Amino acid sequence: DAGVIQSPRHEVTEMGQEVTLRCKPISGHDYLFWYRQTMMRGLELLIYFNNNVPIDDSGMPEDRFSAKMPNASFSTLKIQPSEPRDSAVYFCASSLYSSGNTIYFGEGSWLTVV
Amino acid sequence: SQQGEEDPQALSIQEGENATMNCSYKTSINNLQWYRQNSGRGLVHLILIRSNEREKHSGRLRVTLDTSKKSSSLLITASRAADTASYFCATDAGEYGNKLVFGAGTILRVKS
Repeated sequence: DAGVIQSPRHEVTEMGQEVTLRCKPISGHDYLFWYRQTMMRGLELLIYFNNNVPIDDSGMPEDRFSAKMPNASFSTLKIQPSEPRDSAVYFCASSLYSSGNTIYFGEGSWLTVV
Repeated sequence: SQQGEEDPQALSIQEGENATMNCSYKTSINNLQWYRQNSGRGLVHLILIRSNEREKHSGRLRVTLDTSKKSSSLLITASRAADTASYFCATDAGEYGNKLVFGAGTILRVKS
């Protein structure tokens, strides 16, 4: 299996622009997670889906952030408009079943907003 | 707020020595996991220990869990330069324990 695939790997954008991050989970996994990692705040869970349905979005920082999962093999995290403080590494991860199971991370999307 | 907190924040040892990292958490858990992150990469699962287990081994890794103290430790024996990475503990949270909450991590440097 190719693992969790994220794109783009690196993105530099100007403040105010829309950013879309993409994720393809491992085939057959029914949970998908979006995490954000920064030096100051560490790894934060933004949102997670079960069977394409958002279950908990309490970690989404504000209305500028939105996430969708239109089907079992694709998810997006959108930031509109982007701000410099959104600069971070965004990880997508997926897992099979629920509590007690390993989650598998993608390599991350490194976002810099200037 | 983060559920797990690792200690120490950074650790530097010589190759061949053992490395011990600790994790404390606040609420009751079903299981605790340890992950590793190499620089510039995603996190990789190392080991999972359930709340009814006290110790678990996997190769050079040994994990202990003390639910009465709400703490866990990860021991890497006979460390190698390739073990240089950040190590995170993660605890299950949420109504059904579906989501993992990660600690701040321990940066381990193994000098050759």
